[in-house]
Amino acid sequence: EVQLLESGGGLVQPGGSLRLSCAASGFTFSSYEMNWVRQAPDKGLEWLSYISSSGTTTYYADSVKGRFTISRDNAKNSLYLQMTSLRAEDTALYYCAREIPRLDAFDVWGHGTMVTVSS
Amino acid sequence: DVVMTQTPLSLSVTPGQPASISCKSSQSLLHRDGKTCLYWYLQKPGQSPQLLIYGVSSRFSGVPDRFSGSGSGTDFTLTISRVEAEDVGVYYCMQGIHLPRTFGPGTKVDIK
Repeated sequence: EVQLLESGGGLVQPGGSLRLSCAASGFTFSSYEMNWVRQAPDKGLEWLSYISSSGTTTYYADSVKGRFTISRDNAKNSLYLQMTSLRAEDTALYYCAREIPRLDAFDVWGHGTMVTVSS
Repeated sequence: DVVMTQTPLSLSVTPGQPASISCKSSQSLLHRDGKTCLYWYLQKPGQSPQLLIYGVSSRFSGVPDRFSGSGSGTDFTLTISRVEAEDVGVYYCMQGIHLPRTFGPGTKVDIK
């Protein structure tokens, strides 16, 4: 079964850091581009970041550029999001999502991991 | 950034009746290769988003044929020909041609 499983969320103080992980299974992870998308409580979806299948190309939303870093380890079938200088407005459910090659749509989503930034 | 707007923001539908959601983008979503990068997702209550439509009008695997997408350029529509109880949730359009990728605000659909 194709699956994405996020982990690493939790409660962190403003200014703190957190590293999210997304474990992929059931497909050839190294062949797929990946993304992070978040959803603040009772809000809509916000795209955060993209990484190419090889990991050489990355893109970020302005809201996280310079604070968040996307990376991947294809040998471990894992995607990561290193988050620093966290703010209250970063409180959200963070999803990893697989991208269909050449179609750019997100066809597989994880269940999300919750990040709460609060003192 | 490309702004995606959706109307209406909420919709209450009688089962068996049709429903339509409009999505407009602030810039054209037509890629130079001819494809249009507009997608529709449904987030059912308590679940992660799921892909319904890609490339404006192509149904993703397993999506019932009562769902259809149409449009071009900057104006797009998702139509449900006969709404069923399982279709409740929030529908989002998303553009994939311009960075950052942006979603519409979502349209909440419930059953009367």
